[in-house]
Order: sequence, then structure tokens, then C-alpha cells
Amino acid sequence: DAKTTQPPSMDCAEGRAANLPCNHSTISGNEYVYWYRQIHSQGPQYIIHGLKNNETNEMASLIITEDRKSSTLILPHATLRDTAVYYCIVRVATSGSRLTFGEGTQLTVNP
Amino acid sequence: NAGVTQTPKFRILKIGQSMTLQCTQDMNHNYMYWYRQDPGMGLKLIYYSVGAGITDKGEVPNGYNVSRSTTEDFPLRLELAAPSQTSVYFCASSGTEYSNQPQHFGDGTRLSIL
Repeated sequence: DAKTTQPPSMDCAEGRAANLPCNHSTISGNEYVYWYRQIHSQGPQYIIHGLKNNETNEMASLIITEDRKSSTLILPHATLRDTAVYYCIVRVATSGSRLTFGEGTQLTVNP
Repeated sequence: NAGVTQTPKFRILKIGQSMTLQCTQDMNHNYMYWYRQDPGMGLKLIYYSVGAGITDKGEVPNGYNVSRSTTEDFPLRLELAAPSQTSVYFCASSGTEYSNQPQHFGDGTRLSIL
């Protein structure tokens, strides 16, 4: 699985958009980009995933660059409950393929 | 919606004791996983299973055993607990219809070995 690089921490004001970057310059054509988050002491929570097109769901938007070497997770209106560690993971979509978690980005949403 | 359920939530063991961490899911998922997370670190895969009767090692399998006799249950066994196994253990599952489906996690078991 490709390695990802994320900033260790970011801050965001409540109500503003949070834009979390991820670099995955060695991603291969059959690897998806997944985003999970982990709120303190809880299990990781799936947010969104995509292959090459931008994706949006009720939680967030995922913007993947045309060359697929980087992506951005956007939380459109961050709340205090969005404070968490956010993990960007690239993963081959084959049966039983595992998730490889890196260090993630600690997002702190401030009032 | 129960999802992935892990028991117990907390446990303290003495060195050399054994125990089983339970994990069950009610989503009829074929794929199940066990991860451990040490303080301040990301998750590391211990074992995984692609269906009943089939298990395989992950990154850090030493000191652990698993079994998968049913689709729903995937217990993790520690035979001789060691301080290095103090960690938070997460169980996860994912669906079978599409291989890119996300994994759903339980709330974890916090295990301390003293």
C-alpha cells in the first residue's frame, strides 16, 4: 500500500471549513483513498473514500487531484465534535486488504 | 443498530495470565480484523479473516491467536500475557459485495498487563 503524508496537527474555527491535506505521491492506479477519524478513546470512524473522482457525502467532501498524488478532506462547517485525529489511507481494493494507519492529523476545532 | 460489539471494554491482567477478547458483528460481513493501538500511535493489524474457517496473520501476530468458527464472531486470544501487550484493541469488519467497502470498528477493549 502507498505511503501517505499528513501534517501532524491543524486548527480550525468552529463553523468554518476544515481542509485536511494528504500527500500520496506513490499511489498506484488500483488504490483507493480512504479517510477515517478517531475521536478520543473511540474506535475509528469511516468518513469517505474515492478512487479518482471527487466525492461528497453527508459528512465531508473528498477532493483528489487529477494526478492522484494528493487529496484534501473538507469538513464544510466544522463543529467542536469534529475534533479528532484524521487518517488518510490508501488501500488496494482487493479481498481482505487491510488498512495501514499512519500518524494522522490532529484536528482541533476551536470555539 | 449494534454493528461491531467488543467485550470487555476494560481489563487488567497479570503477567502470564490468558484471556479472550470477544468481537461480534451483526452485519453479515465476511471480513473481520483485529488491530492494536499503542498510546499516541496508529493502529497495527494483528490478524484478519476473510470468512468462517479462514484466518491470516497481520503485521504484529506474535503472542496472539484467533479463530473464526462463525461469520459473526472473531475472538482474539492472549495465551501468556506480557506487559508489551498493554494496548487498546479494536475489532473491525467489512462487507463482501464490493471489495472497496469501508471497515466498521468497535469501541475497543482497553487492556493493561501488570
